[in-house]
Parts: sequence; C-alpha cells; structure tokens
Amino acid sequence: SQTIHQWPATLVQPVGSPLSLECTVEGTSNPNLYWYRQAAGRGLQLLFYSVGIGQISSEVPQNLSASRPQDRQFILSSKKLLLSDSGFYLCAWSVLGGVGEQYFGPGTRLTVT
Amino acid sequence: QQQVKQSPQSLIVQKGGISIINCAYENTAFDYFPWYQQFPGKGPALLIAIRPDVSEKKEGRFTISFNKSAKQFSLHIMDSQPGDSATYFCAATKTGFQKLVFGTGTRLLVSP
Repeated sequence: SQTIHQWPATLVQPVGSPLSLECTVEGTSNPNLYWYRQAAGRGLQLLFYSVGIGQISSEVPQNLSASRPQDRQFILSSKKLLLSDSGFYLCAWSVLGGVGEQYFGPGTRLTVT
Repeated sequence: QQQVKQSPQSLIVQKGGISIINCAYENTAFDYFPWYQQFPGKGPALLIAIRPDVSEKKEGRFTISFNKSAKQFSLHIMDSQPGDSATYFCAATKTGFQKLVFGTGTRLLVSP
C-alpha cells in the first residue's frame, strides 16, 4: 500500500530564516506530487506540482520554491521566510495519468514569528 | 471557468439529521468529482467520488448526487454523527489535467 510522509510535523521559524519541508511517498512509482498551503480556517491553495524528477510547475508567485530531486521526494523551500508564509502545508500525490484522485499527507504546521 | 463553488460555508446539523453540501462547476469538460473530509490538524482524506456517467453514488451513510445538466453535485450525509464534524471539500478535474480544482470548503458541526 502507498504511504505519504511529511516532516517536520510542526515548525516555528523566525522571519528571514530559511525553510525546508520534505515529503516522501512509498509504495508507488512515478507519482504526480503536489504542495498545498492552507491558511487557518481556509481552503486549499495549490503552490506547486510535479509530474516527474526536476519538473516543477508553480501555481502562485511567492516566496517559496519546490524541488523534486528523486522520484518520490518533494521538497518545499524558502530562502527567507515572511510572516505571511505561516500556515498548514500539505503534500499530496496522485497516480501519473490516473483518474485524478489525490492522497494527502499529514501536513506540516508552520508558524513564522 | 475552472472554479468550483461550494455552499454553505458552515453547517450545523443535529445528530441523526441529514447534512447536505452543494457544489457547482462551470467547466463541462470536468469528468471526475471527489469529496474530501478533513479533521482539524490532519490532511484531507478522500471520502467518495463520482463520474458524470452516473447520477448517484452511495457509500455507507455518504451519498453523492450528480446533476450533469445543472452542473451541480452534492454530498449527503445521512444519520449525521458528532464524529462527522469536519471540513468537507468538493473538487473537480478532467482526465489528463493532473490537478484538482477545489471548492472553498464547508465546516460541518454535528451537535449531540
């Protein structure tokens, strides 16, 4: 069966500090991978998605970047965090060429102080 | 044309009642409509999904009703329980699109 991991689970970082969030998927190959952000009590904002190693599509211009160094690894980064980067960050995967179902990870709660 | 409009924003239902959440879409090319359930502090989980070749799909107490001509679909939770209290998101996509278009979410509270 497939499993998706995210770490860390929670993170408190000062403004201006760098960020690295990691997501890994087990039990599948060549998945589509996604990063979402969810502000408190709000909906799901797609930040980045990837259909393969090194292939990243950015949905919203912002202070963040994403990378996919390995088939089942997706990393979300920032060089300098802003207060507005606070939120709940969710990684998701779907089957490449599948029907569209996405499966979400447990999320990372980021608080920028 | 890529939007999915979801209503209501919040909903309070008594235990044992029926919870109904509605979504409307514009893009007639959409051909897959999933619903997600999210508990506080957790990632959304796929609850139930439907394709436009059927008008209804039922899994336990959860039913999706689909109206292709009206471009609307809804989630019905029968015999709602306090454990159903969560945020529900509808979504839509089309084959090969690789992305889901999400509704804005409905916060459901089932009172004991």
